[in-house]
Amino acid sequence: GAVVSQHPSWVICKSGTSVKIECRSLDFQATTMFWYRQFPKQSLMLMATSNEGSKATYEQGVEKDKFLINHASLTLSTLTVTSAHPEDSSFYICSYQGTDTQYFGPGTRLTVL
Amino acid sequence: DAKTTQPTSMDCAEGRAANLPCNHSTISGNEYVYWYRQIHSQGPQYIIHGLKNNETNEMASLIITEDRKSSTLILPHATLRDTAVYYCIVRADNTDKLIFGTGTRLQVFP
Repeated sequence: GAVVSQHPSWVICKSGTSVKIECRSLDFQATTMFWYRQFPKQSLMLMATSNEGSKATYEQGVEKDKFLINHASLTLSTLTVTSAHPEDSSFYICSYQGTDTQYFGPGTRLTVL
Repeated sequence: DAKTTQPTSMDCAEGRAANLPCNHSTISGNEYVYWYRQIHSQGPQYIIHGLKNNETNEMASLIITEDRKSSTLILPHATLRDTAVYYCIVRADNTDKLIFGTGTRLQVFP
């Protein structure tokens, strides 16, 4: 299956700062990709869907101005958590749409102090 | 909301077959059944998917009932590394969203 990387794998930041998470597809080009978050002991929750070259579509309850998604190319997407607060602490996971399934990155653990 | 129901947790002895059930009684005719698993603190991993026929790959087998209202994922010889949360998901096609339910936490013990 396709290989997806995320950077950084973990990050700790102070409240009020912004954090950028990169998601790269290493051997696959996809027009559609997804961002999820997962709180401790909970399931994955879809945050947004993005198509290369167009604006992301956010799920209900997800603030588009807080979680900025840039689908820069077929192999790179970024999620920026702006003005992060402790309640944004979570495990953020990206995935790329493949020909028959989605391929997930290893996740980024964000801790906001 | 997730369209599937799964047991919260299951145990399996190492080397034995792990049979993970999933109910999807409201599945539509064009919806596939997908299985993913998530090992602790990692991203989900695709396992297998099917429409109505049973499927097998190098990781697992998927048995779908004739009425398609339920399915079973079979790990033929479970190992300790198969300890994970297993998610059963139905989706119409490859462009549809993946809606994760609570999954089944499988614990494989020595």
